[in-house]
Amino acid sequence: NAGVTQTPKFQVLKTGQSMTLQCAQDMNHEYMSWYRQDPGMGLRLIHYSVGAGITDQGEVPNGYNVSRSTTEDFPLRLLSAAPSQTSVYFCASSEQGVNQPQHFGDGTRLSIL
Amino acid sequence: AQSVTQLGSHVSVSEGALVLLRCNYSSSVPPYLFWYVQYPNQGLQLLLKYTTGATLVKGINGFEAEFKKSETSFHLTKPSAHMSDAAEYFCAVTKNTGFQKLVFGTGTRLLVSP
Repeated sequence: NAGVTQTPKFQVLKTGQSMTLQCAQDMNHEYMSWYRQDPGMGLRLIHYSVGAGITDQGEVPNGYNVSRSTTEDFPLRLLSAAPSQTSVYFCASSEQGVNQPQHFGDGTRLSIL
Repeated sequence: AQSVTQLGSHVSVSEGALVLLRCNYSSSVPPYLFWYVQYPNQGLQLLLKYTTGATLVKGINGFEAEFKKSETSFHLTKPSAHMSDAAEYFCAVTKNTGFQKLVFGTGTRLLVSP
């Protein structure tokens, strides 16, 4: 199994550009989420979904949109990129249940100039 | 609100020495606690978790952690470090209700010298 696949692995954007970070999982997990990782700050939850058609905000949702039209895919959209969004983005999925381990992708390194 | 404090952004040990990575949490309700490991250019991987029951939990790669409610701690240990243990380690906490909104600590980078 591929697990959680994120594309692209690296991306450089100019301020004001938009883009979509892709995330797909092949484990039939109901729960999916997006985190950003910044130096000295750990990971912070951006948005999450508990099933197709259901999304909710996490700790740092501003500037990001998500949708969940299928169980497998959970794209993250940056509407108008800002330098403060330079970060490493991780997608994760898990089975239902608060004690289930999250499975992480390898991340997307995003730089906003 | 929940929070996690990891003492020491970097910990250095010699190969074969004891590994001790510290984690203290704050939670208004009984927590679920996790340790994740991140190798360079990879995502996070679960090492171990505490949910209920036995307070000493064993994980992969010889790691273990003990939940101490009185000390609000969940420190990670390994008796003998290997070079392959060099990575960044994150402690995380979540409430035992609803979606697993993990709150992560800032991470501790473990350096292992020969």
